[in-house]
Amino acid sequence: DAGVTQSPTHLIKTRGQHVTLRCSPISGHKSVSWYQQVLGQGPQFIFQYYEKEERGRGNFPDRFSARQFPNYSSELNVNALLLGDSALYLCASSLLGAGDTQYFGPGTRLTVL
Amino acid sequence: QKEVEQDPGPLSVPEGAIVSLNCTYSNSAFQYFMWYRQYSRKGPELLMYTYSSGNKEDGRFTAQVDKSSKYISLFIRDSQPSDSATYLCAMRVNYGGATNKLIFGTGTLLAVQP
Repeated sequence: DAGVTQSPTHLIKTRGQHVTLRCSPISGHKSVSWYQQVLGQGPQFIFQYYEKEERGRGNFPDRFSARQFPNYSSELNVNALLLGDSALYLCASSLLGAGDTQYFGPGTRLTVL
Repeated sequence: QKEVEQDPGPLSVPEGAIVSLNCTYSNSAFQYFMWYRQYSRKGPELLMYTYSSGNKEDGRFTAQVDKSSKYISLFIRDSQPSDSATYLCAMRVNYGGATNKLIFGTGTLLAVQP
């Protein structure tokens, strides 16, 4: 079975631009979470969606937004990019919304110049 | 103070050694404890999952949780060069069915020398 997939693999943007990252969860999983991992740090929670509703939001500015589609795939959008947004963006899927094991995708590496 | 503290390493050991990786935490509400392994430029892979205090063993890996000391450990026996990776501890509270947000440590970089 396919695991969590993310696209694109790598992305280079300039300050002020907008970016959209995509995630497809494991088949049958209904929850998707997004994490930001800055080099040398552990992942930090950004959002969780379950059954297309937001279930959690981390301490990130309003420039970050996300949504989940009827097929349970998800998009993370970041507006007005800053240099500090350069990071590995990880998507994790789980069967249910809470109390369930999360499986991570390979991530999208975003570089902001 | 961070909720979860983890020594970033790097930790270098010879092949066959026993490796001990540790995390401390400050939030007494954490009930679920995980260890993830992350190879360079890849996503984290779940290794061990423990609820509350106690030990759990899976092959060469043993996870220990001591809630009274707010301290968790991962032991790797007979370490192999293929174990070379960053090891991340992660924790979460029981949010009562709301969210499954994980709090991660910074990760410890392990190098097993052949």
